[in-house]
Amino acid sequence: GENVEQHPSTLSVQEGDSAVIKCTYSDSASNYFPWYKQELGKRPQLIIDIRSNVGEKKDQRIAVTLNKTAKHFSLHITETQPEDSAVYFCAASIGGYQKVTFGTGTKLQVIP
Amino acid sequence: SAVISQKPSRDICQRGTSLTIQCQVDSQVTMMFWYRQQPGQSLTLIATANQGSEATYESGFVIDKFPISRPNLTFSTLTVSNMSPEDSSIYLCSGSTGGSGNTIYFGEGSWLTVV
Repeated sequence: GENVEQHPSTLSVQEGDSAVIKCTYSDSASNYFPWYKQELGKRPQLIIDIRSNVGEKKDQRIAVTLNKTAKHFSLHITETQPEDSAVYFCAASIGGYQKVTFGTGTKLQVIP
Repeated sequence: SAVISQKPSRDICQRGTSLTIQCQVDSQVTMMFWYRQQPGQSLTLIATANQGSEATYESGFVIDKFPISRPNLTFSTLTVSNMSPEDSSIYLCSGSTGGSGNTIYFGEGSWLTVV
């Protein structure tokens, strides 16, 4: 089955700096890659996703890139703010099957 | 996004007892799943809830421990049976709106503590 690895496990940045979280996946058939943000005590919330026919997608301060050849994808957060502090999960899914495999999570701390 | 609600939101359970979690989704949802999130860990898929038939369990999860029902398209239950402290986790109902997007939405979670 699919295996998703995520790095780093923890990340501290100064407010206003950028943060990058990287994930790799094992199954070349995976074609959908969502990212979730989970604040303490709350449910995971979808923040951005990318499909395999797209190399990059951006939504305001958040962007995701995908390299299908290398089987890795990354989350980029620019101009970080304290409210970006949370645990972020990457995930991978094979279209049609709809089972999503999650990475191990990155705890992001934005220091004011 | 899809609306997914589950209850209870929290519970403290005695060792050896069972607890049933209920999940209600809106009509956009086609597939329903149950995930477990142990303290400080990632999300692990327990099973896919199939309407009117037995759930499809992932490796490491069995029906006797986690019986699941889905009597109709918008409702599912997960029972955690014969609980032990190791079952203390967040249990998350989730739903997919189908198609090629596979967008998964989560309920608010049921935080179970087994004492």
